[in-house]
Amino acid sequence: DIVMTQTPLSLSVTPGQPASISCKSSQSLLHSDGKTYLYWYLQKPGQSPQLLIYEVSSRFSGVPDRFSGSGSGTDFTLKISRVEAEDVGVYYCMQGIHLRTFGQGTKVEIK
Amino acid sequence: QVQLVQSGAEVKKPGASVKVSCKASGYTFTSYGISWVRQAPGQGLEWMGWISAYNGNTNYAQKLQGRVTMTTDTSTSTAYMELRSLRSDDTAVYYCARDRRRSSGGGPDGCWGQGTLVTVSS
Repeated sequence: DIVMTQTPLSLSVTPGQPASISCKSSQSLLHSDGKTYLYWYLQKPGQSPQLLIYEVSSRFSGVPDRFSGSGSGTDFTLKISRVEAEDVGVYYCMQGIHLRTFGQGTKVEIK
Repeated sequence: QVQLVQSGAEVKKPGASVKVSCKASGYTFTSYGISWVRQAPGQGLEWMGWISAYNGNTNYAQKLQGRVTMTTDTSTSTAYMELRSLRSDDTAVYYCARDRRRSSGGGPDGCWGQGTLVTVSS
Protein backbone atom coordinates (compact mmCIF):
# COMPACT_ATOMS: atom_id res chain seq x y z
CA ASP A 1 0.00 0.00 0.00
CA ILE A 2 1.10 3.56 -0.67
CA VAL A 3 1.78 5.55 2.49
CA MET A 4 1.22 9.30 2.51
CA THR A 5 3.15 11.36 5.07
CA GLN A 6 2.27 14.98 5.79
CA THR A 7 4.32 17.56 7.67
CA PRO A 8 3.74 19.45 9.80
CA LEU A 9 0.74 17.95 11.58
CA SER A 10 -0.30 21.35 12.87
CA LEU A 11 0.30 24.91 11.86
CA SER A 12 -0.56 28.23 13.50
CA VAL A 13 -0.51 31.13 11.07
CA THR A 14 -0.96 34.88 11.35
CA PRO A 15 -3.60 36.18 8.92
CA GLY A 16 -1.98 37.49 5.77
CA GLN A 17 1.10 35.32 6.19
CA PRO A 18 1.96 32.36 3.95
CA ALA A 19 1.66 28.70 4.91
CA SER A 20 3.07 25.54 3.41
CA ILE A 21 2.27 21.85 3.90
CA SER A 22 4.45 19.01 2.65
CA CYS A 23 3.20 15.60 1.53
CA LYS A 24 5.44 12.69 0.65
CA SER A 25 4.33 9.39 -0.88
CA SER A 26 6.07 6.04 -0.43
CA GLN A 27 6.11 5.54 -4.19
CA SER A 28 5.78 7.61 -7.32
CA LEU A 29 2.32 8.93 -8.12
CA LEU A 30 3.09 9.30 -11.82
CA HIS A 31 0.60 7.22 -13.78
CA SER A 32 1.27 5.55 -17.12
CA ASP A 33 -1.17 8.05 -18.64
CA GLY A 34 1.32 10.83 -17.84
CA LYS A 35 -0.73 12.37 -15.04
CA THR A 36 0.24 12.50 -11.37
CA TYR A 37 -2.65 11.68 -9.08
CA LEU A 38 -2.08 13.81 -6.01
CA TYR A 39 -5.03 15.62 -4.49
CA TRP A 40 -5.49 18.16 -1.68
CA TYR A 41 -8.64 18.45 0.41
CA LEU A 42 -9.71 20.81 3.16
CA GLN A 43 -12.12 19.77 5.88
CA LYS A 44 -13.50 22.79 7.67
CA PRO A 45 -14.89 22.25 11.18
CA GLY A 46 -18.15 20.35 11.10
CA GLN A 47 -18.18 20.00 7.32
CA SER A 48 -17.56 17.36 4.68
CA PRO A 49 -14.14 17.50 3.00
CA GLN A 50 -13.87 19.73 -0.03
CA LEU A 51 -11.54 19.40 -3.00
CA LEU A 52 -8.92 22.14 -3.38
CA ILE A 53 -6.33 20.81 -5.81
CA TYR A 54 -6.32 17.83 -8.18
CA GLU A 55 -3.49 16.27 -10.18
CA VAL A 56 -0.83 18.12 -8.17
CA SER A 57 -1.50 21.68 -9.25
CA SER A 58 -4.94 22.16 -10.81
CA ARG A 59 -7.24 24.27 -8.66
CA PHE A 60 -10.80 22.99 -8.41
CA SER A 61 -13.61 25.29 -9.52
CA GLY A 62 -14.15 28.17 -7.10
CA VAL A 63 -10.93 27.66 -5.13
CA PRO A 64 -9.17 30.99 -4.51
CA ASP A 65 -5.89 31.52 -6.31
CA ARG A 66 -4.06 31.97 -3.00
CA PHE A 67 -4.01 28.15 -2.93
CA SER A 68 -1.39 26.47 -5.09
CA GLY A 69 -0.02 22.97 -5.42
CA SER A 70 3.33 21.81 -6.72
CA GLY A 71 5.62 18.81 -6.80
CA SER A 72 6.32 15.65 -8.72
CA GLY A 73 7.03 11.97 -8.23
CA THR A 74 6.86 11.49 -4.47
CA ASP A 75 7.21 15.03 -3.04
CA PHE A 76 4.40 17.54 -3.05
CA THR A 77 3.55 20.88 -1.45
CA LEU A 78 0.40 22.88 -0.83
CA LYS A 79 0.96 26.60 -0.38
CA ILE A 80 -1.39 29.30 0.84
CA SER A 81 0.04 32.64 -0.20
CA ARG A 82 -1.87 34.71 2.38
CA VAL A 83 -3.84 32.82 5.00
CA GLU A 84 -7.33 34.07 5.78
CA ALA A 85 -9.57 33.22 8.72
CA GLU A 86 -11.79 31.05 6.50
CA ASP A 87 -8.83 28.76 5.71
CA VAL A 88 -8.87 27.11 9.15
CA GLY A 89 -9.43 23.39 9.18
CA VAL A 90 -7.59 20.17 8.44
CA TYR A 91 -5.79 19.74 5.13
CA TYR A 92 -5.32 16.27 3.66
CA CYS A 93 -3.27 15.07 0.72
CA MET A 94 -4.43 11.91 -1.04
CA GLN A 95 -2.96 9.63 -3.69
CA GLY A 96 -5.14 8.22 -6.43
CA ILE A 97 -2.75 6.14 -8.54
CA HIS A 98 -3.31 2.86 -6.72
CA LEU A 99 -6.60 2.75 -4.86
CA ARG A 100 -6.71 5.83 -2.60
CA THR A 101 -4.78 6.77 0.54
CA PHE A 102 -5.03 9.91 2.64
CA GLY A 103 -2.26 11.57 4.60
CA GLN A 104 -2.72 12.02 8.35
CA GLY A 105 -3.93 15.59 7.97
CA THR A 106 -2.49 18.98 8.90
CA LYS A 107 -4.51 21.17 11.23
CA VAL A 108 -4.29 24.85 10.37
CA GLU A 109 -5.33 27.45 12.91
CA ILE A 110 -5.14 31.21 13.03
CA LYS A 111 -2.90 32.96 15.57
CA GLN B 1 -27.26 20.96 -8.82
CA VAL B 2 -24.84 18.08 -8.39
CA GLN B 3 -25.32 16.47 -5.00
CA LEU B 4 -25.07 13.32 -2.96
CA VAL B 5 -27.59 12.81 -0.16
CA GLN B 6 -26.88 10.15 2.44
CA SER B 7 -29.16 8.23 4.75
CA GLY B 8 -29.56 9.14 8.40
CA ALA B 9 -27.62 8.29 11.52
CA GLU B 10 -27.57 4.70 12.77
CA VAL B 11 -26.94 3.07 16.13
CA LYS B 12 -25.91 -0.57 16.01
CA LYS B 13 -24.79 -3.22 18.45
CA PRO B 14 -21.42 -4.97 18.11
CA GLY B 15 -21.63 -7.82 15.61
CA ALA B 16 -24.50 -6.26 13.66
CA SER B 17 -24.44 -4.88 10.12
CA VAL B 18 -25.17 -1.41 8.77
CA LYS B 19 -26.09 -0.30 5.25
CA VAL B 20 -25.64 3.36 4.33
CA SER B 21 -27.17 4.82 1.16
CA CYS B 22 -25.96 7.68 -1.01
CA LYS B 23 -28.40 9.09 -3.60
CA ALA B 24 -26.92 11.03 -6.48
CA SER B 25 -28.61 13.76 -8.47
CA GLY B 26 -27.65 16.43 -10.97
CA TYR B 27 -25.27 14.31 -13.03
CA THR B 28 -25.14 11.09 -15.05
CA PHE B 29 -24.65 8.50 -12.31
CA THR B 30 -23.11 5.82 -14.52
CA SER B 31 -20.40 8.16 -15.81
CA TYR B 32 -18.67 8.16 -12.44
CA GLY B 33 -17.66 6.02 -9.51
CA ILE B 34 -18.28 6.47 -5.81
CA SER B 35 -15.65 6.33 -3.08
CA TRP B 36 -16.56 5.75 0.55
CA VAL B 37 -14.49 7.47 3.22
CA ARG B 38 -14.89 7.29 6.99
CA GLN B 39 -13.73 9.40 9.88
CA ALA B 40 -13.62 8.13 13.45
CA PRO B 41 -14.20 10.72 16.19
CA GLY B 42 -11.29 13.15 16.30
CA GLN B 43 -9.38 11.20 13.67
CA GLY B 44 -8.38 11.66 10.05
CA LEU B 45 -9.95 10.48 6.82
CA GLU B 46 -9.79 6.79 5.94
CA TRP B 47 -10.57 5.59 2.42
CA MET B 48 -12.75 2.48 2.55
CA GLY B 49 -13.27 1.57 -1.07
CA TRP B 50 -14.56 2.49 -4.51
CA ILE B 51 -17.27 1.28 -6.85
CA SER B 52 -17.79 2.04 -10.50
CA ALA B 53 -21.39 3.06 -11.13
CA TYR B 54 -20.71 2.16 -14.77
CA ASN B 55 -20.06 -1.56 -14.34
CA GLY B 56 -20.15 -2.30 -10.60
CA ASN B 57 -16.42 -3.04 -10.32
CA THR B 58 -15.16 -2.57 -6.79
CA ASN B 59 -11.90 -2.08 -4.90
CA TYR B 60 -11.79 -2.23 -1.12
CA ALA B 61 -9.19 -1.18 1.45
CA GLN B 62 -7.32 -4.27 2.56
CA LYS B 63 -8.21 -3.85 6.24
CA LEU B 64 -11.95 -4.01 5.42
CA GLN B 65 -11.84 -6.88 2.91
CA GLY B 66 -14.42 -9.48 3.84
CA ARG B 67 -16.51 -7.10 5.97
CA VAL B 68 -17.53 -4.44 3.45
CA THR B 69 -19.67 -4.60 0.33
CA MET B 70 -20.37 -1.68 -1.99
CA THR B 71 -23.17 -1.78 -4.52
CA THR B 72 -25.13 0.55 -6.76
CA ASP B 73 -28.68 0.72 -8.06
CA THR B 74 -28.52 2.55 -11.36
CA SER B 75 -32.32 2.73 -11.60
CA THR B 76 -32.36 5.08 -8.61
CA SER B 77 -28.82 6.52 -8.91
CA THR B 78 -28.05 5.27 -5.44
CA ALA B 79 -24.87 3.78 -4.01
CA TYR B 80 -24.80 1.60 -0.93
CA MET B 81 -22.11 0.64 1.56
CA GLU B 82 -22.71 -2.32 3.87
CA LEU B 83 -20.35 -3.04 6.75
CA ARG B 84 -20.75 -6.29 8.69
CA SER B 85 -19.53 -7.64 12.03
CA LEU B 86 -19.47 -4.15 13.47
CA ARG B 87 -17.02 -3.32 16.27
CA SER B 88 -16.76 -0.28 18.50
CA ASP B 89 -13.89 1.07 16.41
CA ASP B 90 -16.23 1.23 13.40
CA THR B 91 -17.94 4.17 15.10
CA ALA B 92 -17.40 6.98 12.61
CA VAL B 93 -18.93 9.41 10.18
CA TYR B 94 -19.19 7.70 6.79
CA TYR B 95 -18.99 9.82 3.64
CA CYS B 96 -19.68 8.99 0.01
CA ALA B 97 -17.94 11.05 -2.65
CA ARG B 98 -18.13 11.11 -6.42
CA ASP B 99 -15.00 9.63 -7.96
CA ARG B 100 -13.67 8.60 -11.34
CA ARG B 101 -15.31 5.79 -13.29
CA ARG B 102 -12.01 3.89 -13.17
CA SER B 103 -10.13 3.04 -9.98
CA SER B 104 -6.60 3.57 -11.28
CA GLY B 105 -5.92 7.23 -11.65
CA GLY B 106 -8.45 9.40 -9.93
CA GLY B 107 -9.95 10.53 -6.67
CA PRO B 108 -13.01 12.07 -5.05
CA ASP B 109 -13.96 15.33 -6.70
CA GLY B 110 -16.01 18.27 -5.49
CA CYS B 111 -19.15 16.30 -4.73
CA TRP B 112 -19.37 14.75 -1.27
CA GLY B 113 -22.30 13.56 0.77
CA GLN B 114 -23.16 15.20 4.07
CA GLY B 115 -21.92 12.23 6.10
CA THR B 116 -23.72 9.54 8.09
CA LEU B 117 -22.85 8.92 11.73
CA VAL B 118 -22.73 5.25 12.60
CA THR B 119 -22.41 4.51 16.30
CA VAL B 120 -21.54 1.01 17.44
CA SER B 121 -22.35 0.47 21.08
CA SER B 122 -23.73 -2.25 23.30
